[in-house]
Amino acid sequence: DVKVTQSSRYLVKRTGEKVFLECVQDMDHENMFWYRQDPGLGLRLIYFSYDVKMKEKGDIPEGYSVSREKKERFSLILESASTNQTSMYLCASSPGTGAHVDTQYFGPGTRLTVL
Amino acid sequence: GQNIDQPTEMTATEGAIVQINCTYQTSGFNGLFWYQQHAGEAPTFLSYNVLDGLEEKGRFSSFLSRSKGYSYLLLKELQMKDSASYLCAVLDSNYQLIWGAGTKLIIKP
Repeated sequence: DVKVTQSSRYLVKRTGEKVFLECVQDMDHENMFWYRQDPGLGLRLIYFSYDVKMKEKGDIPEGYSVSREKKERFSLILESASTNQTSMYLCASSPGTGAHVDTQYFGPGTRLTVL
Repeated sequence: GQNIDQPTEMTATEGAIVQINCTYQTSGFNGLFWYQQHAGEAPTFLSYNVLDGLEEKGRFSSFLSRSKGYSYLLLKELQMKDSASYLCAVLDSNYQLIWGAGTKLIIKP
């Protein structure tokens, strides 16, 4: 089974703090994604990566950055956390078969509260 | 703009059948996914449709009509464990997933 793990289930930070969210997948997937999920809204893509050291902006990249130094690990960074970044953050990975149509597998999510 | 519409919430009875609809307007279409998400948990893959018609997988079936921009997820013989949110997502012409807000399904005994 594919396993995607995230470093924390719950996180509370203060405004202005730098926040790191870590995601690790164990199935040698090429693609990794960071989403945020808010009530009443669909999943919104923040950043994604198709390869090591490669990153692409999603729909809402402002206020976030990412790092992918190793294939299995994709980190989301909030340089200076703000209250409007309080949300559920979901990491996902997909095999990247080259056919573009592959299933995304999700981690359990990190519920971040910024005070 | 791109848009995915699903009902916000539905209620059904244990043992019954429920149909969750999804309509979409996207720039291109390369398939439609359904995911299940239990409260506080990760979304998990249910189905993928790219051709018109019905795909059956046990108690769950998914239907697609590309000409109508419409899909539904059919759940039969409902069980209490089916209480969850069901997310519809469309792969657009750039192979990016566009997500609906999800339908919260409540199953009553």
